[in-house]
Amino acid sequence: KQEVTQIPAALSVPEGENLVLNCSFTDSAIYNLQWFRQDPGKGLTSLLLIQSSQREQTSGRLNASLDKSSGRSTLYIAASQPGDSATYLCAVRPQGGSEKLVFGKGTKLTVNP
Amino acid sequence: EPEVTQTPSHQVTQMGQEVILRCVPISNHLYFYWYRQILGQKVEFLVSFYNNEISEKSEIFDDQFSVERPDGSNFTLKIRSTKLEDSAMYFCASSDRLATNIQYFGAGTRLSVL
Repeated sequence: KQEVTQIPAALSVPEGENLVLNCSFTDSAIYNLQWFRQDPGKGLTSLLLIQSSQREQTSGRLNASLDKSSGRSTLYIAASQPGDSATYLCAVRPQGGSEKLVFGKGTKLTVNP
Repeated sequence: EPEVTQTPSHQVTQMGQEVILRCVPISNHLYFYWYRQILGQKVEFLVSFYNNEISEKSEIFDDQFSVERPDGSNFTLKIRSTKLEDSAMYFCASSDRLATNIQYFGAGTRLSVL
């Protein structure tokens, strides 16, 4: 059974710092991996999707990498801003025709001005 | 930008009552999903729906749950007889799958069962 773990559970950094959020998954047979942002009481906003054949994806100040064989992904945020404060969720879609996403519990990021 | 719309944003109900949660997926999407998130826990998959039928469901999605696409725009989740443990945030998502595989999520409906 696929399990997704995110470390750390919470992170507090000063504005301007570069940071890395970690995601690990137990079964490397994935179709893709998606990073989401969740603001309090709000829905999930898709940030980046990495297909299993890709090593990384970039969008603005965000860069996500994928090492499928070791079951790891990282989300790099450059020059963090207070507006980046949110919970970041990692989710994998297993191979084998499954449609579901399997989520980690998230990392709650606070960027202090 | 197109978005997934969910109504209501908050639903309060008594235990044993039926509730229907509504979703309007992105208009050209063909794949629809429901997830839930109990407070403080992970987002969990409930069901996926394609071509007017369930394509996959989780162990959580028992006989108390059903989904329907009653017309060309709405996608609903019905819980027949709510229990206290059904209290959660319910998210609808949609995907065009063939193009990007990205699942786009709505803002959620917070269900409170008293």
